Amino acid sequence: QSVLTQPPSVSAAPGQKVTISCSGSSSNIGKNYVSWYQQLPGTAPKLLIYENNKRPSGIPDRFSGSKSGTSATLGITGLQTGDEADYYCGTWDTSLRAGVFGGGTQLTVL
Amino acid sequence: EVQVVESGGGLVKPGGSLRLSCAASGFTFRSYGMNWVRQAPGRGLEWVSSITSSGHIYYADSVKGRFTISRDNAKNSLDLQMNSLRAEDTAVYYCARGLCGGDCYSDWGQGTLVTVSS
Repeated sequence: QSVLTQPPSVSAAPGQKVTISCSGSSSNIGKNYVSWYQQLPGTAPKLLIYENNKRPSGIPDRFSGSKSGTSATLGITGLQTGDEADYYCGTWDTSLRAGVFGGGTQLTVL
Repeated sequence: EVQVVESGGGLVKPGGSLRLSCAASGFTFRSYGMNWVRQAPGRGLEWVSSITSSGHIYYADSVKGRFTISRDNAKNSLDLQMNSLRAEDTAVYYCARGLCGGDCYSDWGQGTLVTVSS
């Protein structure tokens, strides 16, 4: 059971938009920055979004992040088949003194 | 170019030990926190341990007392000594550079597989 809660799967058609939610608590998302990671099949995770809504160099602006209270959301617009991957949210939990991740969301581009 | 490269994985019997290493390059190693994150086969990401640039150390409850993280700033390297290994420690172990004051992981290695089985 993950500390952060994500939907197991989402799907949408090419060109459409999808959002992935991440729910936590006052000791993790409520207190700290949220980051998002993309893991393509058979590869290492890659940082997509950091500090709630910032994109590292090279990440297209089709990817966006937001945070409100104890929840965060990853948005992906203009879906491409190459976006099919597992997506994870992560943050620090101040009470646990530990890093925490969501269980991951598998994105299918139909 | 930032690079982190893990090594040291392999097959070990339950109760055994293994030492993972991570070689870092392309950034000022001593200035960054470093982390280990693992992924069991077919499962999600699990944070294992972190060591800050100033040497503060944190462990997941699942490995506390069995794993030891350490860093050598002179050699730009990060280690994870794993003792009393259990079947549930079987996973790909990733080394990741910390960013965002420790809240995120900006650069990941390719991972090294640890299999605990008799």
